Amino acid sequence: GAGVSQSPSNKVTEKGKDVELRCDPISGHTALYWYRQSLGQGLEFLIYFQGNSAPDKSGLPSDRFSAERTGGSVSTLTIQRTQQEDSAVYLCASSLPGRYQPQHFGDGTRLSIL
Amino acid sequence: GENVEQHPSTLSVQEGDSAVIKCTYSDSASNYFPWYKQELGKRPQLIIDIRSNVGEKKDQRIAVTLNKTAKHFSLHITETQPEDSAVYFCAATYTGTASKLTFGTGTRLQVTL
Repeated sequence: GAGVSQSPSNKVTEKGKDVELRCDPISGHTALYWYRQSLGQGLEFLIYFQGNSAPDKSGLPSDRFSAERTGGSVSTLTIQRTQQEDSAVYLCASSLPGRYQPQHFGDGTRLSIL
Repeated sequence: GENVEQHPSTLSVQEGDSAVIKCTYSDSASNYFPWYKQELGKRPQLIIDIRSNVGEKKDQRIAVTLNKTAKHFSLHITETQPEDSAVYFCAATYTGTASKLTFGTGTRLQVTL
């Protein structure tokens, strides 16, 4: 079946612009996660959604970052007034509900801020 | 919150040798420990995971061990092959209905011929 799909695969934008990154999870996966991977670094948690529960936004680095998940499926991560330090690969993952469910990652969006 | 440390940052082994990557975690409540393999420019792929009620798990050439008392867990790859060359990440979390992973900083494994 189809895996986690992210778009665009690459995004280059000027400092100060807003960007939207999209994630389409695996069908049936009610948990959806966003992580950020800076060059040569590990993955840093940003936010997750689980079903109809309020999202856990504890990893968002500033109020310029926000995310929503419409209809319990597709999610959009929005970064407003982008800064150069926002340059990174943004990875989305999804999983089935319940304990010990493995997270499956998409290919990510490589964001470059000029 | 949880903190995961991973060592070494780079590891070079000859084909056929074993490789060991070690991680420590800080939160004693963590109960799920996955390992991901990431090839250059690709997505992280889950290769093995272990729950806190298990001390060791094996899958062919890959094994993971967990010491809850010391809060250590390790990845062991035997009979390494060139295709094992990649960056490996450990992670830890307390699983509820959903679980945010805390990742180590990664180990770049190079298997030389």
